[in-house]
Amino acid sequence: ETGVTQTPRHLVMGMTNKKSLKCEQHLGHNAMYWYKQSAKKPLELMFVYNFKEQTENNSVPSRFSPECPNSSHLFLHLHTLQPEDSALYLCASSQEASSNYEQYFGPGTRLTVT
Amino acid sequence: QKEVEQNSGPLSVPEGAIASLNCTYSDRGSQSFFWYRQYSGKSPELIMFIYSNGDKEDGRFTAQLNKASQYVSLLIRDSQPSDSATYLCAVKVGGFKTIFGAGTRLFVKA
Repeated sequence: ETGVTQTPRHLVMGMTNKKSLKCEQHLGHNAMYWYKQSAKKPLELMFVYNFKEQTENNSVPSRFSPECPNSSHLFLHLHTLQPEDSALYLCASSQEASSNYEQYFGPGTRLTVT
Repeated sequence: QKEVEQNSGPLSVPEGAIASLNCTYSDRGSQSFFWYRQYSGKSPELIMFIYSNGDKEDGRFTAQLNKASQYVSLLIRDSQPSDSATYLCAVKVGGFKTIFGAGTRLFVKA
């Protein structure tokens, strides 16, 4: 148990649906991250929040919309996704984003877009 | 484009042998380096981090860093079948961004 939880663990959605992924960390960290992991590709950083402020948007399409209401919670709102968005979406947290702290990952949400 | 390169493998070693995993990175200004292990169907878990040139040992694991050569490696001594996994090298490239390599698959034969 890493102290980072994600829900749902699996999600199947059509291209016209709207859904949200939720991440919660119980480690007292101040930074949270969204990553996308596709088959045979490196982990791709999507967004970084440090002390609730977004500090990185790695050229992510606007159909992905992050929200960080506090340092413990992170959401990824999804709408009008494409089949190529099917992947494992991983949330991570660290003590803070600007220093050399390691990240701790949640179990991920396996997303399938039909 | 800042990159982290790893040999995708699979790297196959017999039980009890030393497994050597390698990683190169392109951003000369990188300051911190991490190794994660990812079992199939699971999320990455941290094994070690290293900031300074040289070796850092933790149990059966040794991380080695050579900033001049932009090279970081992970040695696993007395490899066990339970070490079979994908090993991800990650590099903090400055600011708030960490870049991951694609990973090396390790298979330890019993």
